[in-house]
Amino acid sequence: QSALTQPPSVSAAPGQKVTISCSKSSSNIVSDYVSWYQKFPGTAPKLLIYEDNKRPSGVPDRFSGSKSGTSATLVIAGLQTGDEADYYCGTWDTRLTVWVFGGGTKVTVL
Amino acid sequence: QVQLVESGGGVVQSGKSLRVSCAASSLTGLPFSAYGMHWVRQAPGKGLEWVGFITNAERTYYADSMKGRIIISRDNSKNTLSLEISSLTVEDAAAYYCATDGPNRDIDQWGQGTLVTVSS
Repeated sequence: QSALTQPPSVSAAPGQKVTISCSKSSSNIVSDYVSWYQKFPGTAPKLLIYEDNKRPSGVPDRFSGSKSGTSATLVIAGLQTGDEADYYCGTWDTRLTVWVFGGGTKVTVL
Repeated sequence: QVQLVESGGGVVQSGKSLRVSCAASSLTGLPFSAYGMHWVRQAPGKGLEWVGFITNAERTYYADSMKGRIIISRDNSKNTLSLEISSLTVEDAAAYYCATDGPNRDIDQWGQGTLVTVSS
């Protein structure tokens, strides 16, 4: 079980919005920033959000991130069929000095 | 931007060792030696799993689940990153990705991965 908890799946119709949560399952995790990754089958992961809420160049503003307390959130607005992928949150645990990924969330466009 | 290409995957017998490599190219602005580098793997049907990290000062950090079985090293003269895994088990079968440590506490540039299959 990952130290970062994500819902296994979320779904919505095209044009709608999905929200993916990422919660620290252990209060022992000490980290600063959360980042998010998009992963299509058979391809490399792609950085989607860094420093909790910043988008790298080229990432559409339909993707947004936020963090409050021990939980981070990724929102995909205006859902498109091309957004069907797995999404992972991640963070560097500064106390244990290890990188931690969430278990991943599969986004399905209905 | 950095282009990362992994190699060295294939079919390996359980109990054996394997070395996978990652070649960096198209380095603009920063030399390979300036980058911290991660290894991340994904087993079939499973999520992303962090394997380990080597800093630009060659300090290493490993996942607890793999500590004692892996060595991450780098050859800056050849722009190459390596991962050695010993005592392979079927649980080590995965796509192995190398990636750069981003400046913002993230993992920002990824290779396409190399697939490791472990036969029992």
